[in-house]
Formats: sequence, structure tokens, C-alpha cells
Amino acid sequence: QVQLVQSGAEVKKPGSSVKVSCKASGGTFSSYTISWVRQAPGQGLEWMGRIIPILGIANYAQKFQGRVTITADKSTSTAYMELSSLRSEDTAVYYCARVWFGGNWFDPWGQGTLVTVSS
Amino acid sequence: QSALTQPPSASGSPGQSVTISCTGTSSDVGGYNYVSWYQQHPGKAPKLMIYEVSKRPSGVPDRFSGSKSGNTASLTVSGLQAEDEADYYCSSYAGSNGYVFGTGTKVTVL
Repeated sequence: QVQLVQSGAEVKKPGSSVKVSCKASGGTFSSYTISWVRQAPGQGLEWMGRIIPILGIANYAQKFQGRVTITADKSTSTAYMELSSLRSEDTAVYYCARVWFGGNWFDPWGQGTLVTVSS
Repeated sequence: QSALTQPPSASGSPGQSVTISCTGTSSDVGGYNYVSWYQQHPGKAPKLMIYEVSKRPSGVPDRFSGSKSGNTASLTVSGLQAEDEADYYCSSYAGSNGYVFGTGTKVTVL
């Protein structure tokens, strides 16, 4: 049973970057993609992008194009999401989630990583 | 890509049913049978409740059911229980645009 374990909370200054990790335990990256979804305080879920780890191919929601980079390290079954040019509106909990090839639903989810952007 | 539209809130007494709608377009909900629903309790990660419009993952009670007509999907929770009080989000595959989530519905058990 795959579990996704994310890195810990971060506090960042406006204009800086943050890199959040998501490690798959109990399985490997062989047959699924990893998506990143964020949730601002009191707000809904927002899909940011995804990666196919075995191919290293990523695609992004238009809103985040140019500011987000999603990568994966097959050797450690870890995906990463880096968001640059941070602003206060990027304060949110960031989740990773698995999507099976041929399926288009998110399961399971990581526990979430709170990123706070504050001067 | 605009968020799918859900009612902000829904409520029912224990044992009653509540239905949540999720309205999109022909580019997402109406174009694919890839609507999924997620339950989120405060401070927790979302949990998959329904996938491919109406399928339930193992371990999800059969009180939860899903359907779709045109550009609108629905989640029905029958026999409401106290533990069903949570936020619910729909999601749809949107082709080259990836995925889109609904605005979320807070379900209150009265």
C-alpha cells in the first residue's frame, strides 16, 4: 500500500523559492503520476501540475506556468515541487497525490506541507 | 480553467440524505467520465470517496453514491452520520488542461 510522505513546514520570504518533497513509501513510481494540489487557508483545492516520474515529463496548470517546477528522482521514489517568486498569496498547504495511469483520480494523498510566505 | 461550481453548504439530520451538485462544462465534467469526489475533515488531507463518476473505493460506505448528467455531477450521502460532517470537493479530468476541482461544499449534520 503506497503512502506519500511529504517534507515539513516552511516559512519563506516574499520573492524567494520553496521546494517541497513527496516520498512514496511501500511502492515505486513505476505505474503512476504524481500531482501537486494546493489549498490556501479557508479556501478550496487547486491543481498545480503533475509529473510522470518514469519519463520525467511534467505539465502544469496555466496559472502556475513559469513559476512552478515539478521533478522526480526515480532512485529514491521522491517527487519535488518548487515554486518561485513567492508572494503572500502562495501561503497554503501543498499536497502531493498519486494518479494511476489510465485513472484520473487522486489516491492516496500526502499529509500536506504548510508553506507560509511572510516578510 | 475555472473551478467547478458547488453549493457552499448543505445540511441534513442524522439518517437523512444530502445531495451535492458539481457543475462544469463540456470540456471537463461533461466531456469525460472522470469525476471524483473527496471528503476533507478539518486539518486533514482529502480522502477519495467516489471515482469515475459512481465507483466507490474499497472501504467507503455504500451510503456514498455518485452520478452525472450532462455537465453536472452529483454526490449523495444517504443515512447521514455525524462523521460525515466535512468539506466535500468534486474533481474532473479536463484533458490538456489537466484537472479541475470544485469550489467545495461544507456538509453539516444537524
